[in-house]
Amino acid sequence: AQKVTQAQTEISVVEKEDVTLDCVYETRDTTYYLFWYKQPPSGELVFLIRRNSFDEQNEISGRYSWNFQKSTSSFNFTITASQVVDSAVYFCALSAKGAQKLVFGQGTRLTINP
Amino acid sequence: DSGVTQTPKHLITATGQRVTLRCSPRSGDLSVYWYQQSLDQGLQFLIQYYNGEERAKGNILERFSAQQFPDLHSELNLSSLELGDSALYFCASSAGTALSGNTIYFGEGSWLTVV
Repeated sequence: AQKVTQAQTEISVVEKEDVTLDCVYETRDTTYYLFWYKQPPSGELVFLIRRNSFDEQNEISGRYSWNFQKSTSSFNFTITASQVVDSAVYFCALSAKGAQKLVFGQGTRLTINP
Repeated sequence: DSGVTQTPKHLITATGQRVTLRCSPRSGDLSVYWYQQSLDQGLQFLIQYYNGEERAKGNILERFSAQQFPDLHSELNLSSLELGDSALYFCASSAGTALSGNTIYFGEGSWLTVV
């Protein structure tokens, strides 16, 4: 079975601070895909990134960066120089062979205070 | 804008009633997924269709049903509604199936409130 754990339920930081959201996953499959989604207060789920299990290269997109480590089954997300607009619930998700669906973590509510 | 369109955005209905949620996938996407997001259960997978055929079923209640039409739009029917069915219902779509690694794009959701 697949499982995603986001141990941080809520994080609150002051604007311009860096913040890292943790994601730990479980799967027995060798081929799988990891995702991050953002859910702002308006409710929609916004796709941020997809990573496959064969590509452990870290990725940077502007202020966002992702660190994928198979050795620790983690796919952490860092926001550098956070802004108030980054306030949202962030979900990590896993899609593995044999599962025609995304398995989501419980989400981390991130609040950026001015 | 993800390209996935859901209607209605908000819906308030009484217990025992039936509602239909509608979803138009992104242009070219063959897979449609339905998810339910509630405060206590988080994001739960309900059902997936691929090119009109049901491909996977999750925690979908028997009172709920879905279908995908030849034009690839999908409907989620919720009947005999209970207070606990109040949730945000998401439709999502992808070009292929989830296990082939396609990115799954979500709509803005339909907020259902059962009173």
